[in-house]
Amino acid sequence: QKEVEQNSGPLSVPEGAIASLNCTYSDRGSQSFFWYRQYSGKSPELIMFIYSNGDKEDGRFTAQLNKASQYVSLLIRDSQPSDSATYLCAVDTNAGKSTFGDGTTLTVKP
Amino acid sequence: DAGVTQSPTHLIKTRGQQVTLRCSPKSGHDTVSWYQQALGQGPQFIFQYYEEEERQRGNFPDRFSGHQFPNYSSELNVNALLLGDSALYLCASRGTGGSPLHFGNGTRLTVT
Repeated sequence: QKEVEQNSGPLSVPEGAIASLNCTYSDRGSQSFFWYRQYSGKSPELIMFIYSNGDKEDGRFTAQLNKASQYVSLLIRDSQPSDSATYLCAVDTNAGKSTFGDGTTLTVKP
Repeated sequence: DAGVTQSPTHLIKTRGQQVTLRCSPKSGHDTVSWYQQALGQGPQFIFQYYEEEERQRGNFPDRFSGHQFPNYSSELNVNALLLGDSALYLCASRGTGGSPLHFGNGTRLTVT
């Protein structure tokens, strides 16, 4: 079992729709959770981070964390074509080591 | 405020050769991590440096080694290159533990 697993995708949504990206992790001791966006040929850039159970909103993005279920998700509201990218879930499994999933590729169609 | 800088941007090497990649962390960051990202996969953790010591290591052979200097910059060395080492090598820095990683633009290594 991989330490961090994401929906393999690809995920395609129409412009203006809600995109939902999911991630599960195996280490119950994980404390910090991150979503990064990676455009083709570029390096990852931080979208959201969340440390506590519940929801965290930042503009059109909402991160959700459920430690009991070992599940973290990212919702993108009012999706735009510029949101088309690969979204990487990362989990700090111990002392500062961030482990990444393989990413979900999102395409937003105009 | 300079972000994470990596050099070179691209590199082509022959199988069996050695390569050194360089990274300067974001100002104020003291922890540097290196990742390997193959096409279609997420970044795979190679190792992390803090206070000039390797603190954690991923599942990579001893051909992969590194160093951190007193100014927090870091090098990744790969010996006896294999075709399978062709990938994007990402350097990331962070300040306190648990804070987000800041990535450089990466070094694209091609081994022929």
